[in-house]
Amino acid sequence: GAGVSQSPRYKVAKRGQDVALRCDPISGHVSLFWYQQALGQGPEFLTYFQNEAQLDKSGLPSDRFFAERPEGSVSTLKIQRTQQEDSAVYLCASSLLRDPGREQYFGPGTRLTVT
Amino acid sequence: SQQGEEDPQALSIQEGENATMNCSYKTSINNLQWYRQNSGRGLVHLILIRSNEREKHSGRLRVTLDTSKKSSSLLITASRAADTASYFCATTDLINAGNMLTFGGGTRLMVKP
Repeated sequence: GAGVSQSPRYKVAKRGQDVALRCDPISGHVSLFWYQQALGQGPEFLTYFQNEAQLDKSGLPSDRFFAERPEGSVSTLKIQRTQQEDSAVYLCASSLLRDPGREQYFGPGTRLTVT
Repeated sequence: SQQGEEDPQALSIQEGENATMNCSYKTSINNLQWYRQNSGRGLVHLILIRSNEREKHSGRLRVTLDTSKKSSSLLITASRAADTASYFCATTDLINAGNMLTFGGGTRLMVKP
């Protein structure tokens, strides 16, 4: 079946622009995660949804970052007034169960470059 | 913040050799997982080991976990050129009930044909 998809795959934004990154999780997956991966580093947690509820947003680096999953399926990560330090790959992952520590299925990521 | 260190940061071996990567972490964990990431692509889950397990095998992969030392190792036997990728360990925290993964910095493995 289809995996996790993300769009766009690449995004170039001028500093100060707003961007919206989309994630389509695997159908039926309850949990959805966003991670940020800087070049040469491991991914870092941003936020977590269980269905439509955002249960943890402790990893969002500033109030310029906002995520939503209004119908419990597709999620959007929005970054307002982008800055150069926002340049990174943004990974979305989903998992089937609510239980902690289940394997997560990752999308290909959106590479954001802020110029 | 990242959970801990992975060692080595980079590893280059010949096809057919074994590759061993180590991971250390800081907190009490629920389980530890290993993921592979090919250049420019998303992460693929390889294997999960629970905190009450000491060793697990899957095909050419062998994972060990030492909770007293807060460390894990991933062994890839009889490596192939297609194993060239970055490998990350990731943990779920026992105390913090959140489901998120906390990743290490990764080991970049190159397998030369």
